[in-house]
Amino acid sequence: GAGVSQSPSNKVTEKGKDVELRCDPISGHTALYWYRQSLGQGLEFLIYFQGNSAPDKSGLPSDRFSAERTGGSVSTLTIQRTQQEDSAVYLCASSKDRGETQYFGPGTRLLVL
Amino acid sequence: ILNVEQSPQSLHVQEGDSTNFTCSFPSSNFYALHWYRWETAKSPEALFVMTLNGDEKKKGRISATLNTKEGYSYLYIKGSQPEDSATYLCAFRHSGGSNYKLTFGKGTLLTVNP
Repeated sequence: GAGVSQSPSNKVTEKGKDVELRCDPISGHTALYWYRQSLGQGLEFLIYFQGNSAPDKSGLPSDRFSAERTGGSVSTLTIQRTQQEDSAVYLCASSKDRGETQYFGPGTRLLVL
Repeated sequence: ILNVEQSPQSLHVQEGDSTNFTCSFPSSNFYALHWYRWETAKSPEALFVMTLNGDEKKKGRISATLNTKEGYSYLYIKGSQPEDSATYLCAFRHSGGSNYKLTFGKGTLLTVNP
């Protein structure tokens, strides 16, 4: 079956521009997660969506970052006024339910010049 | 702050060698330990989920063990092949209200030379 998909696969942007990253989770998965891996660091939790519950945004590094999940399916991560330190691989994952194995997409590689 | 350490950071082996690497994690408030394999430009692939102290899991030539009392897990690859070349990630989940969060180590980059 189809796995988690993300778009774009690569994004180069200029400092100060806004970017939107998209995630299509596995159909039927109620939980969705965003992580990022900055250079030399481990994958870092950003945000978690579960059904219609309020998302856990505790991992978002600044108020320039926001995410939404429409209709319990597709999610968009938005970074406003990008900075060079936002350059990273952004990974999305989904799971059948809270606490179940997370299945990852291939990531979006973001480079902020 | 939860600390998950992996060693070594990178490893080069010859085809046919067996190898192993380590993941250490907090020994308190344990919920689960995950292993993933991440090949360049692909999605991280789930290998194992381990929940019980003494757990041993196997998938083909890859196996993993878990010691929750001392806070470590080993991943073993028997008879390494070039297609095993990847970054191997472990991720810890603690018990409690936010047990859905994965805290990752930085990974072990394995290169298998033909």
